[in-house]
Amino acid sequence: DSGVTQTPKHLITATGQRVTLRCSPRSGDLSVYWYQQSLDQGLQFLIHYYNGEERAKGNILERFSAQQFPDLHSELNLSSLELGDSALYFCASSVDWTASTDTQYFGPGTRLTVL
Amino acid sequence: AQKVTQAQTEISVVEKEDVTLDCVYETRDTTYYLFWYKQPPSGELVFLIRRNSFDEQNEISGRYSWNFQKSTSSFNFTITASQVVDSAVYFCALSENPLPLLIQGAQKLVFGQGTRLTINP
Repeated sequence: DSGVTQTPKHLITATGQRVTLRCSPRSGDLSVYWYQQSLDQGLQFLIHYYNGEERAKGNILERFSAQQFPDLHSELNLSSLELGDSALYFCASSVDWTASTDTQYFGPGTRLTVL
Repeated sequence: AQKVTQAQTEISVVEKEDVTLDCVYETRDTTYYLFWYKQPPSGELVFLIRRNSFDEQNEISGRYSWNFQKSTSSFNFTITASQVVDSAVYFCALSENPLPLLIQGAQKLVFGQGTRLTINP
């Protein structure tokens, strides 16, 4: 158990809908990262937050957005869902991304199925 | 641009055999970080090891060992005396230091496509 929690574990929804994925980082970690794992694209970085502020963006679609709250938990919002958004979404956390010893620990993932 | 290549898509061996998973990376940065993660059938990503570019020492942890060679841009992973519980998808990942040299750090991970390892009893 990495100490990173994600809810829900599974999510089934229809095209055009909006969903919110939630992540709680390990105790003491200030950084939260979101990744998408799909069969065709593999594991891809979406976005990074540090202590409430956005630090880096990957190939995140405009239909997707995220935020990190004062209690450091993070939410990934996916809207106008398409079939291609079906994937496993991972959250990872780390202590401090500026440290040379920093390591990202991953949560169990949320499996999103868009029908 | 950063890139990680795991040329072996699938490997299947019999229990107790040794197996090596290859990882080749590309980066323009002089400071970078390499990782291996394991994804068992249950789906979670489990951290195995981190190696910094300025530390070329190889590492051994029980039946696992890692060979980091900067000259060939490779970071290979060997499992000795494999066991059925080692069956999983293994990912190699790279992270560059996005900051000026005064501040060491890493942000996004760039993953290889993964190697599916099956250990047969």
